[in-house]
Amino acid sequence: AQSVTQPDIHITVSEGASLELRCNYSYGATPYLFWYVQSPGQGLQLLLKYFSGDTLVQGIKGFEAEFKRSQSSFNLRKPSVHWSDAAEYFCAITGGGNKLTFGTGTQLKVEL
Amino acid sequence: SAVISQKPSRDICQRGTSLTIQCQVDSQVTMMFWYRQQPGQSLTLIATANQGSEATYESGFVIDKFPISRPNLTFSTLTVSNMSPEDSSIYLCSVDTGTSRPYEQYFGPGTRLTVT
Repeated sequence: AQSVTQPDIHITVSEGASLELRCNYSYGATPYLFWYVQSPGQGLQLLLKYFSGDTLVQGIKGFEAEFKRSQSSFNLRKPSVHWSDAAEYFCAITGGGNKLTFGTGTQLKVEL
Repeated sequence: SAVISQKPSRDICQRGTSLTIQCQVDSQVTMMFWYRQQPGQSLTLIATANQGSEATYESGFVIDKFPISRPNLTFSTLTVSNMSPEDSSIYLCSVDTGTSRPYEQYFGPGTRLTVT
């Protein structure tokens, strides 16, 4: 069975500060990895994905994520957070099929 | 990518009634998915809907409670039947697109359901 753990339920950062959201997964092989963002009252928007190749992937809105096989992690980062980044962030994996397994999400608050 | 719309965006319903949620995509897609997001929780897959065949339900979800239709390649409906307050959730549809696996999944804006 596959699972995703996002250890931080809530994170608060100041605008302009750097951000790292943690994601750990459990899967028998290397999964396909995704980060989604859900703004209040909105659906989920795909930020970035990792399928293979370069372990540092770039996404939209200035986000990046690094896949570390040895740590079973896929942490999301942003060098300088903007107030509009306040939202809930979900890490998700799939083994190559269609079924996505989501983490429980991290709620990001940005202080001005 | 795909543009997905859902109707209604939100509704308040009485227990014992049913609500049908519509999902429309701007392009033809093979597979559509229905998820539930309970308050403060993550997303849980309810079922996968393929055009021309019965939906495939995940463990814990049954067709009598969540009947799904998929009449063509751009449209699907999810009905939440005989509702109880425990059904209060956000229901999201998604589609996967691409020419090779793994496909990316794109989500609709969701339907926020409150059952009183």
